[in-house]
Amino acid sequence: QITLKESGPTLVKPTQTLTLTCTFSGFSLTTTGVGVGWIRQPPGKALEWLALIFWDDDTRYSPSLRNRITITKDTSKNQVVLTMTNMDPVDTATYFCAHRQQWRTNHHAMDVWGQGTTVTVSS
Amino acid sequence: DIQMTQSLSSLSASVGDRVTLTCRASQNIRNFLNWYQQKPGNAPKLLIYAASTLQSGVPSRFSGSGSGTDFTLTISSLQPEDFGTYYCQQCYDSPGTFGQGTRVDI
Repeated sequence: QITLKESGPTLVKPTQTLTLTCTFSGFSLTTTGVGVGWIRQPPGKALEWLALIFWDDDTRYSPSLRNRITITKDTSKNQVVLTMTNMDPVDTATYFCAHRQQWRTNHHAMDVWGQGTTVTVSS
Repeated sequence: DIQMTQSLSSLSASVGDRVTLTCRASQNIRNFLNWYQQKPGNAPKLLIYAASTLQSGVPSRFSGSGSGTDFTLTISSLQPEDFGTYYCQQCYDSPGTFGQGTRVDI
């Protein structure tokens, strides 16, 4: 059974750096094809895809946030870390991590999600 | 980025209704399209991938169709537990952009 859980601060000040950790179980991030992604959702708004890391350390970033975010993994701890610099009130959102499933047809989707963690940016 | 448009922001329907939601991509994404359901306070749940393949455990009243730029999610007979917001997501290219969502009220 795959599970993921996000952790990190609930409140950060503007200009600070946010670090969120996704701790997962039920799969290995060393298995070919596996990935873990981060998605966020501002209050009352739509989902926004942020970043993805693959089993082979390849990474993908949202172009609009590329210069502010970094995604890394620690396979020994079964964790994926998202770092976002220069936080602003508009970054207030629920942040989700999710398991990326890829099928033989090359299709992929985020098939298991964490519960999400709410981050508020305010002074 | 590929833009995903769900033109209907919300709809209200009754139990037993057939409901069709639409999603349009700004370019050809073949069938690299996923659908998610999200209920208030919860994480999204994957319903359909590859435009028409039902994720394991999802009721068969849900179905998806389409390819290229136009896609639909159909709920054949709406049930009380189907309320929530439905998002499409393209997985043809990074970033895997989501639509703005369609809220279904019952």
